[in-house]
Amino acid sequence: AQSVSQHNHHVILSEAASLELGCNYSYGGTVNLFWYVQYPGQHLQLLLKYFSGDPLVKGIKGFEAEFIKSKFSFNLRKPSVQWSDTAEYFCAVTSYGGSQGNLIFGKGTKLSVKP
Amino acid sequence: NAGVTQTPKFQVLKTGQSMTLQCAQDMNHEYMSWYRQDPGMGLRLIHYSVGAGITDQGEVPNGYNVSRSTTEDFPLRLLSAAPSQTSVYFCASSPGQGARRQYFGPGTRLTVT
Repeated sequence: AQSVSQHNHHVILSEAASLELGCNYSYGGTVNLFWYVQYPGQHLQLLLKYFSGDPLVKGIKGFEAEFIKSKFSFNLRKPSVQWSDTAEYFCAVTSYGGSQGNLIFGKGTKLSVKP
Repeated sequence: NAGVTQTPKFQVLKTGQSMTLQCAQDMNHEYMSWYRQDPGMGLRLIHYSVGAGITDQGEVPNGYNVSRSTTEDFPLRLLSAAPSQTSVYFCASSPGQGARRQYFGPGTRLTVT
């Protein structure tokens, strides 16, 4: 079965610091990769996604992620975080074929940005 | 389009009570799913459906039943609620399994006392 690992449970940064959140997945076939964000009290929003092509994908609000197939990784980055980026971030993966088509989430990384 | 709607938004149950969480979508999506979100656990798949009349279990199906009589609706039933089912429940839909975009509902916060 597929699985998604997010390395950090809680990250605390000061404003203007750079961010990198790790994500690794277990499936070796063709995958679609996602990062979702959940702001306090709100539901999930899609931050960015990778299906194919350029492994560096850009999302909303200055976020980007790099797909490294050899490392089964899809790390999320932002050069300079803002207080408003305080949220929980979820990496997710889906693939093709039967139950592998289900969207599987990591456990999430809570980001706290200090003003 | 209203997208994916869920009712109720909040619910408090006593242990042993039953209830149904409603989920509906108006995008004619074949694939629908239910997740529960718990602190430190992310979102875990409960049940999913690839079309009307077809359902299957996800990662954490115990204590939950589903049915899919129409394309639009995918209710989640708790037959005998337990405190361990206190969670936030999200419904999602997409054009098909493995689709490149899933649409999430706003969630239902359930507390079982």
